[in-house]
Amino acid sequence: QSALTQPASVSGSPGQSITISCTGTSSDLGSYNVVSWYQQHPGKAPKLMIYEGSKRPSGVSDRFSGSQSGNTASLTISGLQAEDEADYYCCSYAGSSTSFGGGTKLTVL
Amino acid sequence: QVQLQQWGAGLLKPSETLSLTCAVYGGSFSGYYWSWIRQPPGKGLEWIGEIDHSGSTNYNPSLKSRITTSVDVSRNQFSLKLTSVTAADTAVYYCARRPSYENSHKFDYWGQGTLVTVPS
Repeated sequence: QSALTQPASVSGSPGQSITISCTGTSSDLGSYNVVSWYQQHPGKAPKLMIYEGSKRPSGVSDRFSGSQSGNTASLTISGLQAEDEADYYCCSYAGSSTSFGGGTKLTVL
Repeated sequence: QVQLQQWGAGLLKPSETLSLTCAVYGGSFSGYYWSWIRQPPGKGLEWIGEIDHSGSTNYNPSLKSRITTSVDVSRNQFSLKLTSVTAADTAVYYCARRPSYENSHKFDYWGQGTLVTVPS
């Protein structure tokens, strides 16, 4: 079971858009189109932002969008706001197991 | 509104057994996998394992030999035991809910987290 690969950090200015990538293998992302994304603020539990690649739970802003193709998934945040500054994790089913990405720290400049 | 509330000992000695319990308030207890996820200080999330209402389990292969999970359907609670802990097991441990229907995989509700410390 290997962790999914994410960039360690990304940054953007308020109002801009950023994209966080998540790379897996044919054993996880490549076989299951069910990637989910979580936002985590310091000292808080993770919060589900995207599931099944591109679906948003009720209450999550439509500024958050997701996509998945082959072994790679992406989370895009448009119209960056200060409160978007947080850590973001991707997650995938991996055949009776679950893999998380290493996490990406988003800094809003 | 679904809420997960967890508790357990926060300070252990090396070789002791970590024991955590998570209570589920609101919603059904069946139709879900009840999961444990941990996060070492300053690091990323690591999936530990999960159990459904019938006792069916899935575990992280790297932890499988030390993990036991259980459910108490009458109390809507589930528990984690991790044996022979070391400093490497120091982490915030979260419980979480994962719907078990096909073609979906998401942790939609989380507990508040419990910091478990094992001094080296």
